[in-house]
Amino acid sequence: DAGITQSPRHKVTETGTPVTLRCHQTENHRYMYWYRQDPGHGLRLIHYSYGVKDTDKGEVSDGYSVSRSKTEDFLLTLESATSSQTSVYFCAISESTSPAFFGQGTRLTVV
Amino acid sequence: RKEVEQDPGPFNVPEGATVAFNCTYSNSASQSFFWYRQDCRKEPKLLMSVYSSGNEDGRFTAQLNRASQYISLLIRDSKLSDSATYLCVVRLSGGSYIPTFGRGTSLIVHP
Repeated sequence: DAGITQSPRHKVTETGTPVTLRCHQTENHRYMYWYRQDPGHGLRLIHYSYGVKDTDKGEVSDGYSVSRSKTEDFLLTLESATSSQTSVYFCAISESTSPAFFGQGTRLTVV
Repeated sequence: RKEVEQDPGPFNVPEGATVAFNCTYSNSASQSFFWYRQDCRKEPKLLMSVYSSGNEDGRFTAQLNRASQYISLLIRDSKLSDSATYLCVVRLSGGSYIPTFGRGTSLIVHP
């Protein structure tokens, strides 16, 4: 399996608090992605990165920010968590010629 | 119109049956195609890449029809362990090689 880990794996937080999810890879892949998965919607792209300090928005980026200061780490921040951000969050990595590989996911509940 | 469309199912089949899923994509510039498998509450895992000439991996056969912009997955001799959601994924060439996911097709194999 690809070396990709997400932390935390589970989190419960209160509305209005900031939350940061971490994705760490040991594969030295250039591309990293954050998705959320909700019933009826499938996997939707939040943000992605194509290199250190190079990031861009996906289709559901409102309320989220990201940072990539090192090749191996891609952080997703919910600046002020809302109940609509309760979801399962997946990080994925890839190279241009390879399929994407996923972390195990983070289950986030905003109460 | 979603970029990648799949019949959500569920497809409910007996052990030993042959089942086929289709997936259509809207962007003719799509260059890479994959099938992933996702078990309940787990991360998506690569099942197989899809090549222009079609390809087979054991009981699984994938085909690509660029003219009609669809890909297919055929599972022969279904096993109980094949029960899962199957995700169709396409990627453009260039840019940030963002994988775009269908919502998935649910397969239930029963004794």
